[in-house]
Amino acid sequence: EAQVTQNPRYLITVTGKKLTVTCSQNMNHEYMSWYRQDPGLGLRQIYYSMNVEVTDKGDVPEGYKVSRKEKRNFPLILESPSPNQTSLYFCASSSGLAGVPDTQYFGPGTRLTVL
Amino acid sequence: AQSVTQLDSQVPVFEEAPVELRCNYSSSVSVYLFWYVQYPNQGLQLLLKYLSGSTLVKGINGFEAEFNKSQTSFHLRKPSVHISDTAEYFCAVSEHGGSNYKLTFGKGTLLTVNP
Repeated sequence: EAQVTQNPRYLITVTGKKLTVTCSQNMNHEYMSWYRQDPGLGLRQIYYSMNVEVTDKGDVPEGYKVSRKEKRNFPLILESPSPNQTSLYFCASSSGLAGVPDTQYFGPGTRLTVL
Repeated sequence: AQSVTQLDSQVPVFEEAPVELRCNYSSSVSVYLFWYVQYPNQGLQLLLKYLSGSTLVKGINGFEAEFNKSQTSFHLRKPSVHISDTAEYFCAVSEHGGSNYKLTFGKGTLLTVNP
């Protein structure tokens, strides 16, 4: 089954404790992206990756890091989480044919609470 | 820079009534347009997309949208809604010719279908 998986689905942590949210897709997609969803703000892009070793900042990259060492994986790293990073996080992937954005497939989400 | 405005944050309707969810965008270049739906406690999934060609686009679950370039709009419509259509709907835009697949989302419209 084609899917995007995220782990963990729920996480409660404390300020300053480094954490990683994993994202994996099995569709051989070139493009992957991380979003955060906050009430009343919709989805805002954190980082995206066009392919292996190619990443770039989205609209709200502060406090986050990413890496793309393999095509299927795109982990989101919070080096020193703060309460304002409490949010619902989504990973998404899509193919990128000839520069035309294709359908993005979203993971189930990770609900993060930073105390 | 591209931006999206969803004019209604909440739309309550009765079952079997028609519905229109409004979306306007801003961009200095041509765009690709998308509607995504998020059912409660789930990730997002694509409803429909406009890439080129016919300005009337049909999607899943009986939804359709019309691209109006002069009014920079991409409103979503359904002639008769069901209880199961209760969800949050997001309009999104991506600019032509970009070196990436940056997708900018609106803040969402919560559609509540009442019996």
